[in-house]
Amino acid sequence: DQQVKQNSPSLSVQEGRISILNCDYTNSMFDYFLWYKKYPAEGPTFLISISSIKDKNEDGRFTVFLNKSAKHLSLHIVPSQPGDSAVYFCAASDNNAGNMLTFGGGTRLMVKP
Amino acid sequence: NAGVMQNPRHLVRRRGQEARLRCSPMKGHSHVYWYRQLPEEGLKFMVYLQKENIIDESGMPKERFSAEFPKEGPSILRIQQVVRGDSAAYFCASSPAGGPEQYFGPGTRLTVT
Repeated sequence: DQQVKQNSPSLSVQEGRISILNCDYTNSMFDYFLWYKKYPAEGPTFLISISSIKDKNEDGRFTVFLNKSAKHLSLHIVPSQPGDSAVYFCAASDNNAGNMLTFGGGTRLMVKP
Repeated sequence: NAGVMQNPRHLVRRRGQEARLRCSPMKGHSHVYWYRQLPEEGLKFMVYLQKENIIDESGMPKERFSAEFPKEGPSILRIQQVVRGDSAAYFCASSPAGGPEQYFGPGTRLTVT
């Protein structure tokens, strides 16, 4: 039973354009959502997060949108750069359950110069 | 401020041997989480510990796996009598006061031959 799903295993985008990565969840108890970026042979690096009381959070080129009614969140990267090429993981946590993270399967983003 | 440290980075064990994976959290962080990533999959929660306490081990296999976080020293994930299916990347993450934002180490890649 996958509670967090990233339905696109890969995404290819031209440099300078917008990258949109999507994530769906099923557990309505999740109250905090995070995006991590991961390079091969390295640990995940925290990118940006959003609390369930908000619908948008922005940090530089990265914006996360949360649609609670649809149980859907997305990460927008504008403009995309070749250095953004990595695997992006969506994760969710429930503050009442110890905040362990439930991860999606990841989306491999390739930004072409 | 050093990040989360894990050692060894790579570990090769024969079937039936024991594997010990170590994790030192970020300075000031007293909460440690262990995750496992199988090839081509997302990270899966294993265990959540605070100093000298296991808070949640619901993601740990019932046999052969154990974890500790002693008062002094690193957190240790121990796998006894390893089997080929234990081959994976094991990541440790830490957070201050158990908050949802977790910071990951570089991982230990375990290969069982």
